Amino acid sequence: NAGVTQTPKFRILKIGQSMTLQCAQDMNHNYMYWYRQDPGMGLKLIYYSVGAGITDKGEVPNGYNVSRSTTEDFPLRLELAAPSQTSVYFCASSHQLQNTEAFFGQGTRLTVV
Amino acid sequence: DAKTTQPNSMESNEEEPVHLPCNHSTISGTDYIHWYRQLPSQGPEYVIHGLTSNVNNRMASLAIAEDRKSSTLILHRATLRDAAVYYCILSPRSDSNSGYALNFGKGTSLLVTP
Repeated sequence: NAGVTQTPKFRILKIGQSMTLQCAQDMNHNYMYWYRQDPGMGLKLIYYSVGAGITDKGEVPNGYNVSRSTTEDFPLRLELAAPSQTSVYFCASSHQLQNTEAFFGQGTRLTVV
Repeated sequence: DAKTTQPNSMESNEEEPVHLPCNHSTISGTDYIHWYRQLPSQGPEYVIHGLTSNVNNRMASLAIAEDRKSSTLILHRATLRDAAVYYCILSPRSDSNSGYALNFGKGTSLLVTP
């Protein structure tokens, strides 16, 4: 089983460039999430989605956009990359029930120079 | 949201049991207690969760205090592969529109020595 797949694994962006981080899950989960993790810190929620066509902001949404056109895919868009967006990005998915586990991708390491 | 408090780091010898504590004194009656761990350069992975009763699975055991204000993750025999950051997270009840996003703190960094 693939689980949660993130692409790319690594990327270097120049300031002001844009890119899309891809995330796909094959578990038919309604809930999907994007987190970022700065060095030595825990994960912070950027955006989440409770189903196709529904997205909402998390703790640190500024500078990012998301869309959810299908249950499987939840891409994260950076429009004008800034050095403060240098981080490791994790996508996750879960069933809608509270007492089930979340599955995480392997992460995308992004450096903005 | 209710917060958790964990030690920054702990150390254990290989093949010995490890008890990772977590305090959550403001936990509400409907909060689940989740534990995740993050191996170096990997995404977090689920370890165990519980509500009121102690729980066991193939990875670990979760002991929950009777008043639910604290819990302990127990690794019965630590291996070198268990070296990771362990996160204790409360999952509050929420409506279907707000998801069940996990609120990660800094966790406990577990060092396992041979």
